[in-house]
Amino acid sequence: GAVVSQHPSWVICKSGTSVKIECRSLDFQATTMFWYRQFPKQSLMLMATSNEGSKATYEQGVEKDKFLINHASLTLSTLTVTSAHPEDSSFYICSARGPGRYFGPGTRLTVL
Amino acid sequence: AQTVTQSQPEMSVQEAETVTLSCTYDTSESNYYLFWYKQPPSRQMILVIRQEAYKQQNATENRFSVNFQKAAKSFSLKISDSQLGDTAMYFCAFMRPGYGGATNKLIFGTGTLLAVQP
Repeated sequence: GAVVSQHPSWVICKSGTSVKIECRSLDFQATTMFWYRQFPKQSLMLMATSNEGSKATYEQGVEKDKFLINHASLTLSTLTVTSAHPEDSSFYICSARGPGRYFGPGTRLTVL
Repeated sequence: AQTVTQSQPEMSVQEAETVTLSCTYDTSESNYYLFWYKQPPSRQMILVIRQEAYKQQNATENRFSVNFQKAAKSFSLKISDSQLGDTAMYFCAFMRPGYGGATNKLIFGTGTLLAVQP
């Protein structure tokens, strides 16, 4: 079946630093990938939709300069949290659009 | 705008019994897709079942089945013969079909935390 990987699975960083999260579709090409944020015991909130070779579309209220998304190839999208602060600590999940919708295992970000 | 409502934040069921999770949604569209996703403690999102709105027949996947009531905009999930491995957060989700190459978003409900008791 279709597999989506995320790297890293967890990351701890200091306030003010930037963190990059990778999302890869391993056995299919994904023209579109989605990035979600999930707080404990809450639902998934869509942050942005990225299309290969074009700019990402951000949801209302999501700072595009803070959450940089790059979808440079049909199998890779990256989310960079710039100048991270403790309030950015969360669980980030990517999803790839292939024959269906497939989710990565998520990345837990903790900002100290 | 479309919304998805799950009115049961938590539920509990005994192993081997049957449980039904509720989901309602609001849309003006006539054609769309509905999903149930499972998120176990590992937090990996897993597709449980999918329903196309234009299909009257309720979808079934082994022990999982849905009761799709289009007029009532209701989409409940029934889990039969509950197993310990069914313990997870369950999310109901809505998606419009893509028209003209448009990519449509999954809209998630708030989730129901299901605990299967031994």
